[in-house]
Formats: sequence, structure tokens, C-alpha cells
Amino acid sequence: AQSVTQPDIHITVSEGASLELRCNYSYGATPYLFWYVQSPGQGLQLLLKYFSGDTLVQGIKGFEAEFKRSQSSFNLRKPSVHWSDAAEYFCAVGVEAGYSGGGADGLTFGKGTHLIIQP
Amino acid sequence: DGGITQSPKYLFRKEGQNVTLSCEQNLNHDAMYWYRQDPGQGLRLIYYSQIVNDFQKGDIAEGYSVSREKKESFPLTVTSAQKNPTAFYLCASSPSSGANVLTFGAGSRLTVL
Repeated sequence: AQSVTQPDIHITVSEGASLELRCNYSYGATPYLFWYVQSPGQGLQLLLKYFSGDTLVQGIKGFEAEFKRSQSSFNLRKPSVHWSDAAEYFCAVGVEAGYSGGGADGLTFGKGTHLIIQP
Repeated sequence: DGGITQSPKYLFRKEGQNVTLSCEQNLNHDAMYWYRQDPGQGLRLIYYSQIVNDFQKGDIAEGYSVSREKKESFPLTVTSAQKNPTAFYLCASSPSSGANVLTFGAGSRLTVL
């Protein structure tokens, strides 16, 4: 079954500074990878996804992520954070359609990284 | 606009009571999911449904039940058998099963008094 690890529970960044959130996955086949963001008391919003092709993917709100197969990583980056970026960020891995290697359908999520922005 | 509607937003329950959380989508998605979120635990899959009149257990299905009588609706019942029901519950849908973008509702917060 697939799994996702987000090593950082909390990260504090100054407004205007660059950001990198780490994500490592474990999966026996080609991974489908996602980053979601959640504001307090709200649902999750998709930032970006990787299915195949270019390993550097662009998302909404100025975010990007790079898939590195050799490191089993899919780290999220932003060159300059804004106070409105303060939120919970989740990395997720998905099972491709028809895959029967175990695990339920849907996405498997990491435990999240709480991003704090300092003025 | 298409989306997912969860209700109620907040729900309080006494111990021993069953409660049902509503999830309705107008995205014409085939697959629907229920996740539970606890602080520091991320999202854990409770149940999912790939098609009407069919559903499967996720990782933490004990103490929960679902039905999928209509394509647009996937209600979740939290039964009295669920030992720790206080949590934030998220419903999601996707066009089909497998690796797909999930669209989430705004969530329902259940508190057991």
C-alpha cells in the first residue's frame, strides 16, 4: 500500500521569503502526486498535481513542485510567500485506475505541514 | 456553480446517539469519498463509493456506515459504536475511481458531548 511522509509538522517563514515543504512517498508503481491546501475549518483545495511528463509542475497561487523519482520526493516550493499563504498543506499520492496492488481507492494523505508566516 | 455541499457545518451529539452527515454533489462525479481529519493525523479514508449502490470500506470504517442510493448523494452515519467520533469530516468526489483530482466539501465538525 502507498504512504506519504511530510517530515515537518510546523514551518515558520518570514513574509517575502522563499518556501519549501517536503514530501516523500512510498508506492510500488508510477505515482500520481498532489498538493492540497486547507484554511482553518475549511475543505481542501488543489494546488497542483503530477501525473506524468515534465517533473516540474506549476500550480495556483504561484506554487510549484518537483517530482524526483530517485528521491521519492515531491517537494512544494514558492519563491516569495504572502501572509495569506498561512494554512495547512497536505501532500497526497493516488492509485492509478485499475491498480490492484492493495490499499483502498482514493488518495492517501500525509499528516500535513502547518505553515506560519511571520510579518 | 458545481460543487460539494456538506451539512450540517457543526453538529453536537450525546454519547450513544447515531448521527448522519449529508454530502451532496452536482459535479456529475461517479466516485465519492468520506475522510476523517484529526489534529496531527492528516486525512484518513472511512468509506468510498465508485458507483451507485456500491461502496467499500476504507482504512477506518469501524463504527461508520454509508449508503449510495443516488449518484449525487453519499451520506455518512456515525454510529454509537464509533468510540471517538469527535472529529472533522470531509466529503470528496472525483470523476471516476483511481488517481483523480478530488474535489472537497467544506467539512462537518462533529462534537460528542
